[in-house]
Amino acid sequence: EAGVTQFPSHSVIEKGQTVTLRCDPISGHDNLYWYRRVMGKEIKFLLHFVKESKQDESGMPNNRFLAERTGGTYSTLKVQPAELEDSGVYFCASSRAGESTDTQYFGPGTRLTVL
Amino acid sequence: GENVEQHPSTLSVQEGDSAVIKCTYSDSASNYFPWYKQELGKGPQLIIDIRSNVGEKKDQRIAVTLNKTAKHFSLHITETQPEDSAVYFCAASPTDSWGKLQFGAGTQVVVTP
Repeated sequence: EAGVTQFPSHSVIEKGQTVTLRCDPISGHDNLYWYRRVMGKEIKFLLHFVKESKQDESGMPNNRFLAERTGGTYSTLKVQPAELEDSGVYFCASSRAGESTDTQYFGPGTRLTVL
Repeated sequence: GENVEQHPSTLSVQEGDSAVIKCTYSDSASNYFPWYKQELGKGPQLIIDIRSNVGEKKDQRIAVTLNKTAKHFSLHITETQPEDSAVYFCAASPTDSWGKLQFGAGTQVVVTP
């Protein structure tokens, strides 16, 4: 079974540009999460999809971040326009439907650097 | 909201010794506590978890203990090996957050041969 995949693995952009990150969850997983780790700090929750619906987006920093999950399969996270403080590693995780404590499987992350 | 503190931030141990990482949480409604291991270039991987109705759980060389009264939980790794070197994260999930994990800041563990 393929794991969670993320693309790209690295992205370097200039302040003010737009970047789109993609996450492909494990097949059949209804739950999809986005997290971010900035500068060696804790991994912070951004948002949670159940299928194509946003269940919880309380962690989204501001309206420069837009997440979508059309059709309930893969998800994209767009940052527009990017700021210096957006640099970090963005992780995607997925879990199957059911218990809230079902294991979340993480992807390898996308390292975003904003110059 | 939930706040998770993790100590130490770095831990250096000799191969064969034990390693202990401690976390405290603030939300008494938290009922699920996973531990993740992140190796270089990879995403975090679940290594063990514990639910609030259990005080201790063991899986080979790894064990986790939970003290609900004191709101702290710990990861114990015995007979450490070089491949245990990684960053370890604790996390907590409150019952009302449905899957949202609140992570600690991570512990860099280095096992020296």
